[in-house]
Amino acid sequence: AQKITQTQPGMFVQEKEAVTLDCTYDTSDPSYGLFWYKQPSSGEMIFLIYQGSYDQQNATEGRYSLNFQKARKSANLVISASQLGDSAMYFCAMREELSGYSTLTFGKGTMLLVSP
Amino acid sequence: DGGITQSPKYLFRKEGQNVTLSCEQNLNHDAMYWYRQDPGQGLRLIYYSQIVNDFQKGDIAEGYSVSREKKESFPLTVTSAQKNPTAFYLCASSVGLNTEAFFGQGTRLTVV
Repeated sequence: AQKITQTQPGMFVQEKEAVTLDCTYDTSDPSYGLFWYKQPSSGEMIFLIYQGSYDQQNATEGRYSLNFQKARKSANLVISASQLGDSAMYFCAMREELSGYSTLTFGKGTMLLVSP
Repeated sequence: DGGITQSPKYLFRKEGQNVTLSCEQNLNHDAMYWYRQDPGQGLRLIYYSQIVNDFQKGDIAEGYSVSREKKESFPLTVTSAQKNPTAFYLCASSVGLNTEAFFGQGTRLTVV
């Protein structure tokens, strides 16, 4: 079974609108971390936001917020007021500690296109 | 400036040849990772290392090898046993469970 599932291969949004990118995860580890990264066409990976499994509040970083629903194992990224520069691939990732080793697993990504 | 350096940016290899991708970090991070990315796909974990002289296989380790002789360095060798090596390779490092991983700029490997 996939550890990170991103069900939206592509999303379209108009500039200045909000958009939600879905992410569900699967783990039996009580302690884990969830991350979102942005990958523009240049290929670099840009860290956006982090949510720890024990964090009580949803993480926010500027226009990015993470809608964390632990019981549903869901960690959706919300981008408010989309900008043209937000067009990119977006990856959800989870860090777990397994047998003393820290692994970082990525989903397949969602391509976001922002139109004027 | 601290960061992760991958070299080269582009690499061409003939079939049957081994090739080594370099990854160096000066962030003093313990954990380092190698990922492979195919067009339109997510990142798949090849190998990861928590400490010097120790590393673990990821999901797609076959045809690849690594070493971790120094904390700063985690080179990846793509061997001739890797049947489809053409891909974008990303190296990353991190310091702990609740901090983000930092990525290099990537190496695009093409078999010719």
